[in-house]
Amino acid sequence: QVHLRESGPGLVKPSQTLSLTCTVSVDSFSSDTSYWNWVRQPAGKGLEWIGHVKSSGNTRYNPSLRGRVTISLDTSKKQFSLQVTSVTAEDTAMYFCARETYFYDSNGYYYFDSWGPGTLVTVSS
Amino acid sequence: EVEMTQSPATLSVSPGERATLSCRASQRIATNLAWYQQKPGQSPRLLIYGSSIRATGIPARFSGSGSGTEFTLTISILQSEDFAVYYCQQYYDWPRTFGQGTKVEIK
Repeated sequence: QVHLRESGPGLVKPSQTLSLTCTVSVDSFSSDTSYWNWVRQPAGKGLEWIGHVKSSGNTRYNPSLRGRVTISLDTSKKQFSLQVTSVTAEDTAMYFCARETYFYDSNGYYYFDSWGPGTLVTVSS
Repeated sequence: EVEMTQSPATLSVSPGERATLSCRASQRIATNLAWYQQKPGQSPRLLIYGSSIRATGIPARFSGSGSGTEFTLTISILQSEDFAVYYCQQYYDWPRTFGQGTKVEIK
């Protein structure tokens, strides 16, 4: 059983940096078949993948965020973190952390099988 | 980037009836597709991966099909707990992309 939980400020001023942490309760946090992701959802809208970090520390980001995103890993604490710089009102959203699992069985499969409950971040002065 | 388009935006269905949701990819993605269910105030829940493989604990009334660019999620006999928003998502390439969602509402 995997549990994830987001934490961090719910209010960020425009032009500042949004910082969130996801704490994971799982034995296999360092597994190379788990990718640790951030996904966001503006109110009433769809889901946007922000990026992920692997247990190796390698990262991949959504180009739509134009280099404003950093995701990092603290294996000793079983945590991974998100930073988004130069935020605007368009960054206001529910932010979810999620595990993407890779599974191979004649085909390769990836799926987001565990999600945190989400945390609402509002960008406002 | 692979764009995912879902239709319809809203589907009005009576309990006990069948619901058919569509998802189209902007390029061929083989069967690298997942479906999620999201209820108000909750995080998404994995239903289907590999286009047609039910995730652990998902009832058999949920089924997925399709490959290439056209995909379908079918809920055979709608239960009250199935009224929610459903998202398709491709994992053929990065960035991972989701459809805009189909809301299944009570008719």
